[in-house]
Amino acid sequence: EVQLQESGPGLVKPSQSLSLTCSVTGYSITSNYWGWIRKFPGNKMEWMGYISYSGSTSYNPSLKSRISITRDTSKNQFFLQLNSVTTEDTATYYCARSRGITPFDYWGQGVMVTVSS
Amino acid sequence: IQLTQSPSLLSASVGDRVTLSCKGSQNINNYLAWYQQKLGEAPKLLIYNTNSLQTGIPSRFSGSGSGTDYTLTISSLQPEDVATYFCYQYNNGNTFGAGTKLELK
Repeated sequence: EVQLQESGPGLVKPSQSLSLTCSVTGYSITSNYWGWIRKFPGNKMEWMGYISYSGSTSYNPSLKSRISITRDTSKNQFFLQLNSVTTEDTATYYCARSRGITPFDYWGQGVMVTVSS
Repeated sequence: IQLTQSPSLLSASVGDRVTLSCKGSQNINNYLAWYQQKLGEAPKLLIYNTNSLQTGIPSRFSGSGSGTDYTLTISSLQPEDVATYFCYQYNNGNTFGAGTKLELK
């Protein structure tokens, strides 16, 4: 079974970079699409972007100047980096899989990240 | 594309037929999915491509719609269906609705 697990610091200071790892088991990240989604306090959900089986990426235009999604196929992990964070980036961050023709079907449990000094 | 879900809060009784609405600001071309999220859990995919039931999801869940208007129906509400339900479009960009919180009356 496909399993995803997010990891990373729960507290980041404003203006710094947020870096998260998604570790995938039961499926190779060299197939399908692997994305990041976040849920803000108050329930709003936002699609952040994905990295494809080939390593190509697609990002939410609202984040394009700050976001980078990369991968390490040898470890079957992919990563989120969000630069110049503010308190408005405080959210629960999820990684998830999409088969491309269908939306995200497998999700991690999520990691809460607070941006605060 | 902006998605508007209604109602934002819905109270219903066990056994009720429940209908949740999702309206897009533009044509979604049936690329509409529904997720269920329980407190403290990851979202679970229920329906994709408007009316395709995800594997393992009970048949009491169904989806319908076209154009800009879409609906999730629970034919007979069960206690375990208490959750927040999000619609999600992937036709033009990727956006989520604000959610409908479903509670038991």
